[in-house]
Amino acid sequence: DGGITQSPKYLFRKEGQNVTLSCEQNLNHDAMYWYRQDPGQGLRLIYYSQIVNDFQKGDIAEGYSVSREKKESFPLTVTSAQKNPTAFYLCASSSPSGKAYNEQFFGPGTRLTVL
Amino acid sequence: DQQVKQNSPSLSVQEGRISILNCDYTNSMFDYFLWYKKYPAEGPTFLISISSIKDKNEDGRFTVFLNKSAKHLSLHIVPSQPGDSAVYFCAASGTSYGKLTFGQGTILTVHP
Repeated sequence: DGGITQSPKYLFRKEGQNVTLSCEQNLNHDAMYWYRQDPGQGLRLIYYSQIVNDFQKGDIAEGYSVSREKKESFPLTVTSAQKNPTAFYLCASSSPSGKAYNEQFFGPGTRLTVL
Repeated sequence: DQQVKQNSPSLSVQEGRISILNCDYTNSMFDYFLWYKKYPAEGPTFLISISSIKDKNEDGRFTVFLNKSAKHLSLHIVPSQPGDSAVYFCAASGTSYGKLTFGQGTILTVHP
């Protein structure tokens, strides 16, 4: 089945540690995105990548880093510089050849809690 | 600056009645609008979309209306079912490829 997987589903981290969230897709989509969701707020864009080896900052990129070495994978690292990392993180992908090129497909999310 | 706003944090309706969820936007460059549905601890799933060249798009029980002059769109669900209870996000896209701007979401509760 085609889809987007995110692992792990729940992640705990001590303050001051970096942590990497995994996102893999087998939809053959060119573009991938990372969002965070906080209670009572919408999805805010952290980083996005339109093609392999290229990515751009979203609205709240500070304290985060990404890489896009393969089309299928777009890992997100939450660094110790991120002041409020506890949130629900969502990965998405989209394809320009789709019926609606900006329709994004989402993974199940990772809930990160900083202890 | 919130470019997409859903001013109602929650909505409660009776099963079988109509649910109307509203969304306002400020950026006139937005030309494509989407609605997503989200259950707790899951990723959002695409529901329905509309291009700015249309004013209505219908898919089964779901209809989205777009009023460009008012920069307003709405999602109508009729008849509402208990399984529709979820958070609904409005999203908009402009000239920047693939990039979506989301509203804050509206929690819909449909009572049996």
